[in-house]
Amino acid sequence: GNSVTQMEGPVTLSEEAFLTINCTYTATGYPSLFWYVQYPGEGLQLLLKATKADDKGSNKGFEATYRKETTSFHLEKGSVQVSDSAVYFCALKNFGNEKLTFGTGTRLTIIP
Amino acid sequence: NAGVTQTPKFRVLKTGQSMTLLCAQDMNHEYMYWYRQDPGMGLRLIHYSVGEGTTAKGEVPDGYNVSRLKKQNFLLGLESAAPSQTSVYFCASSYSTGEIQETQYFGPGTRLLVL
Repeated sequence: GNSVTQMEGPVTLSEEAFLTINCTYTATGYPSLFWYVQYPGEGLQLLLKATKADDKGSNKGFEATYRKETTSFHLEKGSVQVSDSAVYFCALKNFGNEKLTFGTGTRLTIIP
Repeated sequence: NAGVTQTPKFRVLKTGQSMTLLCAQDMNHEYMYWYRQDPGMGLRLIHYSVGEGTTAKGEVPDGYNVSRLKKQNFLLGLESAAPSQTSVYFCASSYSTGEIQETQYFGPGTRLLVL
């Protein structure tokens, strides 16, 4: 079946540091891949997505590239801000399957 | 345009009590979902619906029932609450096609504590 493995948190960084949150997946076929973000006290929001191999999703300075050969979709940002503090979820959706499969989430805290 | 809303935001129940969580969306989405979020486990799908009048089981359906009598509403019921159902519940919705790239839009969540 499908599964998503995320880097365990929590992750604490200083403002302006470089961020990487690792995500690898197991799935049949060619799933779409997503990163969702959950700010404190809120629901999940789509951050970015990629639908095929070598696609790069980007939004708000965050990027992730769909790497089929390594089954990975690592999230990166060059310079994080305090406002990026949140929980980040990697997820996949497979053809013919309505549901999203989520990773366990990575809590990110940025300190000034 | 409110997106996806959930009622209530927070509820405390005693074991054996029943309750209904309401999800409403104003985006004319066909698909709606109920997830639960537990520490260290990400989100797990409870039930979902691919259109008005239809429902289907997700990966953790036991102890829950759902109904989709109107396109814009998706109700999640707990007939006899148990402490294991203490969780944060999220509703989501998406467009009609079920394509793999479809984005799901989430509500703000309902925090449920069962004593």
